[in-house]
Amino acid sequence: QVQLVESGGGLVKPGGSLRLSCAASGFTFSDYYMNWIRQAPGKGLEWVSYISSSGSFTNYADSVKGRFTIFRDNAKNSLYLQMNSLRAEDTAVYYCARNLVTEDWFDPWGQGTLVTVSS
Amino acid sequence: QSVLTQPPSASGTPGQRVTISCSGSSSNIGSNTVNWYQQLPGTAPKLLIYSNDQRPSGVPNRFSGSKSGTSASLAISGLQSEDEADYYCAAWDDSLNGFVFGTGTKVTVL
Repeated sequence: QVQLVESGGGLVKPGGSLRLSCAASGFTFSDYYMNWIRQAPGKGLEWVSYISSSGSFTNYADSVKGRFTIFRDNAKNSLYLQMNSLRAEDTAVYYCARNLVTEDWFDPWGQGTLVTVSS
Repeated sequence: QSVLTQPPSASGTPGQRVTISCSGSSSNIGSNTVNWYQQLPGTAPKLLIYSNDQRPSGVPNRFSGSKSGTSASLAISGLQSEDEADYYCAAWDDSLNGFVFGTGTKVTVL
């Protein structure tokens, strides 16, 4: 079955860095765009970034532009999010989710990984 | 930040019909399709409605979606206790070149 499993979350100090991973299985990973979406504690959903199926195209929410980098390894069926210069407001559960280039919906989502930025 | 506006809460008794609105602009809902996600307590969001009004396999037909202009709606008819959850609308935004989500609506079954 289609599965996305995030990992790499944890506690990091403000200004620090963290790399999240998302392992995909059950589908042809290289056919899909991939996204990171986050949810701060008790808050709503915020789209963070997407990457095209080949990795050639990416974009970011203004809130993370210049600090976060999305990339993928299609040979390893894996998606990554390199997060630098972390701030308290980056504290959230981070989800990965897929979508086809011709479809603008996310299905399925991973279970999420919690990132806490605190001194 | 959320670009799509939803009411923070909605409620009903079992069997009632509940409707959730989602208001956007010409750059998102006005020019792209709307999708809805259901987030049960403590779980990841799940796709509920795609392309404005389509239900994925396995989603009960008491859930329905519609879109008109720069607004969309999700209706739950025959409300059940297991429908207690947070609901989010979402769409692609041509100006931001990214996805935008609604502010979220918490549905309570009284």
